[in-house]
Amino acid sequence: GDSVTQMEGPVTLSEEAFLTINCTYTATGYPSLFWYVQYPGEGLQLLLKATKADDKGSNKGFEATYRKETTSFHLEKGSVQVSDSAVYFCALRVNNDMRFGAGTRLTVKP
Amino acid sequence: DGGITQSPKYLFRKEGQNVTLSCEQNLNHDAMYWYRQDPGQGLRLIYYSQIVNDFQKGDIAEGYSVSREKKESFPLTVTSAQKNPTAFYLCASSFTTESNTEAFFGQGTRLTVV
Repeated sequence: GDSVTQMEGPVTLSEEAFLTINCTYTATGYPSLFWYVQYPGEGLQLLLKATKADDKGSNKGFEATYRKETTSFHLEKGSVQVSDSAVYFCALRVNNDMRFGAGTRLTVKP
Repeated sequence: DGGITQSPKYLFRKEGQNVTLSCEQNLNHDAMYWYRQDPGQGLRLIYYSQIVNDFQKGDIAEGYSVSREKKESFPLTVTSAQKNPTAFYLCASSFTTESNTEAFFGQGTRLTVV
């Protein structure tokens, strides 16, 4: 079945460090891919998305490129801030089936 | 403002009781979903509904029930058959016919068995 695998955390970085969170997927169809962010005690918020191969999603300095050849959608940010501390989820959607990765907790220290 | 609302935010249940979690959306979405979140396990799908009066089991439906009598509402009942109900429950909704669109989430309900 369809699934998402993302790198295990937790990830701890210093402010202004470069961030990469790896995400790979398995899908029988042509999925749309998403990154969501969750702050403590809250629901998930969409961070960015890409709907076809080679699309790049971007928002708030975060980027991810839909790589069909490697079935990947890695999240990157050039310079993280303390306010980026949260749990990040990679997700895919094929028709009405939405699947999520296990989440990666990011802590950014000043 | 359009959105998806879950209530209550915190819920306590005694063993052997059924409890119902509310989820309402005014986004005119056809599809609605319930997920359970446990630490380190991400989101697991409990039930989903693509249209009024129809719903399907997800990966962990045992011990849960749902109804979809109105497009806007998708309540989840955690029954006494659910042996480990303590978790964070998230409701989501999305358009059905546009598979490239994202799901919108509520703020979640934290259920604790006491």
